[in-house]
Amino acid sequence: AQKVTQAQTEISVVEKEDVTLDCVYETRDTTYYLFWYKQPPSGELVFLIRRNSFDEQNEISGRYSWNFQKSTSSFNFTITASQVVDSAVYFCALRSNTDSWGKLQFGAGTQVVVTP
Amino acid sequence: DVKVTQSSRYLVKRTGEKVFLECVQDMDHENMFWYRQDPGLGLRLIYFSYDVKMKEKGDIPEGYSVSREKKERFSLILESASTNQTSMYLCASSKGQDSSYNSPLHFGNGTRLTVT
Repeated sequence: AQKVTQAQTEISVVEKEDVTLDCVYETRDTTYYLFWYKQPPSGELVFLIRRNSFDEQNEISGRYSWNFQKSTSSFNFTITASQVVDSAVYFCALRSNTDSWGKLQFGAGTQVVVTP
Repeated sequence: DVKVTQSSRYLVKRTGEKVFLECVQDMDHENMFWYRQDPGLGLRLIYFSYDVKMKEKGDIPEGYSVSREKKERFSLILESASTNQTSMYLCASSKGQDSSYNSPLHFGNGTRLTVT
């Protein structure tokens, strides 16, 4: 069975601090995809990144970076120099090839609160 | 950009009422999904559809049904609303089977349903 664990329920930081969100996943499949989504107060989930299981290269996009480590089944997300606009709930999600029709298994989410 | 539109942002219904939640997408996506979001539980899949008139149960289908008469529209139906169905409901869509494993889900803004 697929499972995604986001152990951090809420993280509070002061603006300009770095924040790292942990994501640990479980799957028996060798081919799978990992995703991160952001949910601002408006409610709509916004797609941030997709990673497949064969690509362990870390990725940086502006102030966002992702660290994918198959050895520890983790796909962690770091926001560098956080800003108030980063305040949101962040979800990690997993899709395996055996999941029919592309459905995603989500973690419980981590609430990030950035104060000025 | 993909647009997924949910007809209502907020709904208040009484116990026992039949409730319809509507979702429309404008990108000709084959797959559509209904998720439910609750604090501490993340997003849980209720139903999904991979084609017109086709549907599959997700992880928590009890108390719900769905309808997909047209490709762009996917409706979630609460046959007899109960207070434990008070929640945020999120609709999503994605490309069809050939690309579904790599394709991110695109979400609507959500409908916050309160059953009293």
